[in-house]
Amino acid sequence: SQQGEEDPQALSIQEGENATMNCSYKTSINNLQWYRQNSGRGLVHLILIRSNEREKHSGRLRVTLDTSKKSSSLLITASRAADTASYFCATGKGGAQKLVFGQGTRLTINP
Amino acid sequence: DAGVIQSPRHEVTEMGQEVTLRCKPISGHDYLFWYRQTMMRGLELLIYFNNNVPIDDSGMPEDRFSAKMPNASFSTLKIQPSEPRDSAVYFCASSHSGTNTGELFFGEGSRLTVL
Repeated sequence: SQQGEEDPQALSIQEGENATMNCSYKTSINNLQWYRQNSGRGLVHLILIRSNEREKHSGRLRVTLDTSKKSSSLLITASRAADTASYFCATGKGGAQKLVFGQGTRLTINP
Repeated sequence: DAGVIQSPRHEVTEMGQEVTLRCKPISGHDYLFWYRQTMMRGLELLIYFNNNVPIDDSGMPEDRFSAKMPNASFSTLKIQPSEPRDSAVYFCASSHSGTNTGELFFGEGSRLTVL
């Protein structure tokens, strides 16, 4: 069963605008990760946020985590055409390395 | 450094045939995962290994699927006999427990089409 659910399923914006994607999950977690998948490629890790963190930055990426609402958001600022991809959240629990992925948000950046 | 290597990248086969997908994890990684991705069901974890030992195979759809990891540098996922509903992209991923982050490194996937 899927743990994370991304919202929206698809997002189309103009280059230069900011893109925000949301993820909700159901059970307690140790950490939440975001991955990117370009068409026809494997997933690539973007950023991890632990359950005791509220916000994290990496370059143009900003991730927030609200454990009381069991939700996370990924913000990509100043979007570029190369950001066009699908973005997935994944949750980890306990000491296991096992991750459960959501259905993903398909992001399209229009030049 | 080489990433996770999967083969074949594409496989087209007929229903009833045996399919074997292969994976070479990143050297030094002690976890290996097999995922399946479809439009309908998204990314599903099929099975994962720790130090070559299967830990959780609860995601394996049915007895037609089997996975092995004979050594730290090689794993196979076998489907016998294959069915059209097995058509999907199969990903192998590996990770290292020492990082304490659970970050997965994915291969490029094997796209399977069963006619």
